[in-house]
Amino acid sequence: NAGVTQTPKFQVLKTGQSMTLQCAQDMNHNSMYWYRQDPGMGLRLIYYSASEGTTDKGEVPNGYNVSRLNKREFSLRLESAAPSQTSVYFCASSEKVRGSYEQYFGPGTRLTVT
Amino acid sequence: QKEVEQNSGPLSVPEGAIASLNCTYSDRVSQSFFWYRQYSGKSPELIMSIYSNGDKEDGRFTAQLNKASQYVSLLIRDSQPSDSATYLCAVTLGQGAQKLVFGQGTRLTINP
Repeated sequence: NAGVTQTPKFQVLKTGQSMTLQCAQDMNHNSMYWYRQDPGMGLRLIYYSASEGTTDKGEVPNGYNVSRLNKREFSLRLESAAPSQTSVYFCASSEKVRGSYEQYFGPGTRLTVT
Repeated sequence: QKEVEQNSGPLSVPEGAIASLNCTYSDRVSQSFFWYRQYSGKSPELIMSIYSNGDKEDGRFTAQLNKASQYVSLLIRDSQPSDSATYLCAVTLGQGAQKLVFGQGTRLTINP
């Protein structure tokens, strides 16, 4: 049981390049999330998906797109990377437990945009 | 006012003592509260969840919730050097919500 996996672990992009961050979970969770974490800013939600086929914006969606490919996979795409998108990106998944959603995180992708 | 506020620290506690971490939140309708531990360079790990007023104990960890004061805390008893990490408080927005709002985290150091 791998939990939540993310690829790649590290990535360096030049300004204007595009890339897709991949996330997969094997816990059969319905909900999946993408966060970014910057020093002193905590975790901020970019997009989330409550179920297969649905996606919604979070706090900081500008410059990103997402795809919920199936129940297991949720990808995050940067169409034209900017230095402000240098960050650590975490994917998470959750299922309803006792009326609440406990989120479990993947190992993260460290992205640098030069 | 930030939705979830924590003292960023660093908080320094001697080994064997009690570490006390605090968090306040602004949304009165919030129903679910979580504490995550994050080691440097690693991902957040869920260590405690609490949904009703009062205390919830799990091993050396105790979460305390006071909805009237909009305050949640985490106590770590018999602190160990391995408890040195950043602790993130997270709160759901609204009733039955799936989205979490995180505080900026408190960096805790346990001194041997």
